[in-house]
Amino acid sequence: EPEVTQTPSHQVTQMGQEVILRCVPISNHLYFYWYRQILGQKVEFLVSFYNNEISEKSEIFDDQFSVERPDGSNFTLKIRSTKLEDSAMYFCASSEGQLTLRKHSPLHFGNGTRLTVT
Amino acid sequence: DAKTTQPPSMDCAEGRAANLPCNHSTISGNEYVYWYRQIHSQGPQYIIHGLKNNETNEMASLIITEDRKSSTLILPHATLRDTAVYYCIVRVAGSGGGADGLTFGKGTHLIIQP
Repeated sequence: EPEVTQTPSHQVTQMGQEVILRCVPISNHLYFYWYRQILGQKVEFLVSFYNNEISEKSEIFDDQFSVERPDGSNFTLKIRSTKLEDSAMYFCASSEGQLTLRKHSPLHFGNGTRLTVT
Repeated sequence: DAKTTQPPSMDCAEGRAANLPCNHSTISGNEYVYWYRQIHSQGPQYIIHGLKNNETNEMASLIITEDRKSSTLILPHATLRDTAVYYCIVRVAGSGGGADGLTFGKGTHLIIQP
């Protein structure tokens, strides 16, 4: 079964450094998402992406964050200047299409990148 | 905030059916009920969804009340591998364009006892 893959599985970085988290969504999917989960807390929505532009973003997704689909397979999340509070699991997800009353389209998640900011 | 209410934790004996309740009393006509689970240190995993009819797949069954204000996820023969946090999520069917995501609550931590 096709799956969403994320690399690296664990990244350690120093405060103030830039990090790029990488994701390869399922190949025929058109909608892409980033979520994060701080240790012991809820899974939180960051951003959704469709047709090469951001569709929706949360309050967490401030100017320090950006997303990009640089080629036909990768979907990246960049944090420009990491802070201690950015330490979390970051999950990428993709879906085939938009949910409508005629067609469902579940999100498929990767297993995440654990980001540790020191 | 999540539009669903779930018990924070539940226990179930291995081999028995696990019944996980969810209240979604403010659900509207164009909102689906989705269930996901998160096994420790993994990404959320889709289980099942429904609009108003009961649904069954290879993983679970979903029973939605007639008024759609609550639902129950049933794992018919729970195994130790089913220990996870289970999330009940309502999701709006879109009218076209844009990517609508999921809003996770705290879920139910289901512990399968040997």
